[in-house]
Amino acid sequence: DIQMTQSPSSLSASVGDRVTITCRASQGINNYLAWYQQKPGKVPKLLIYAASTLQSGVPSRFSGSGSGTDFTLTISSLQPEDVATYYCQKYNSAPFTFGPGTKVDIK
Amino acid sequence: EVQVVESGGGLVKPGGSLRLSCAASGFTFSSYSMTWVRQAPGKGLEWVSSISSSSSYIYYADSVKGRFTISRDNAKNSLYLQMNSLRAEDTAVYYCARAGAGSSGYVFPNWGQGTLVTVSS
Repeated sequence: DIQMTQSPSSLSASVGDRVTITCRASQGINNYLAWYQQKPGKVPKLLIYAASTLQSGVPSRFSGSGSGTDFTLTISSLQPEDVATYYCQKYNSAPFTFGPGTKVDIK
Repeated sequence: EVQVVESGGGLVKPGGSLRLSCAASGFTFSSYSMTWVRQAPGKGLEWVSSISSSSSYIYYADSVKGRFTISRDNAKNSLYLQMNSLRAEDTAVYYCARAGAGSSGYVFPNWGQGTLVTVSS
């Protein structure tokens, strides 16, 4: 099975900073990669699918890129409401594995 | 408005069984794949099982294969997860999620609030 890894596992940044999270697949998955945001105590929310397509209603400060095995989620200007754990997920074929998550908080 | 509502969680002893249900509304249930995702306390998301719109394709995580059975009743707009031989490590919040459309088939834009399953003696 394809393994998903994320780095870093956590980060602390200041409001207004550009934040980048990396997701890596152990084998190529084309662009079948989604990103989710889970705020503390809340249900996961889909941010991006097809590696770079923004889900409706998601702020434009979120963007995704990559293809094959290496992907990134970028928050162009970190806001206090972006404190959350971010997960990537592959969906090219089963198992539809999630990455281990990256916890983002405010410095 | 798309809604999925889980039920059936609770406390069960190791080796026991539990059946989760997910009631869907606000969309044509029979047109979408459905999925169960779980999250152990303080841990990350774990995909558990998915079922295609007509039940033709069913997938399981290795961790639950042979113990859990996913099913759906399109006439009742309902998704189920039969969980047998439960273990302590199955303790988690179980989320029902609707999959996306077309090539986004196993992306999950809509989630329920989750139901807690606790396996403990």
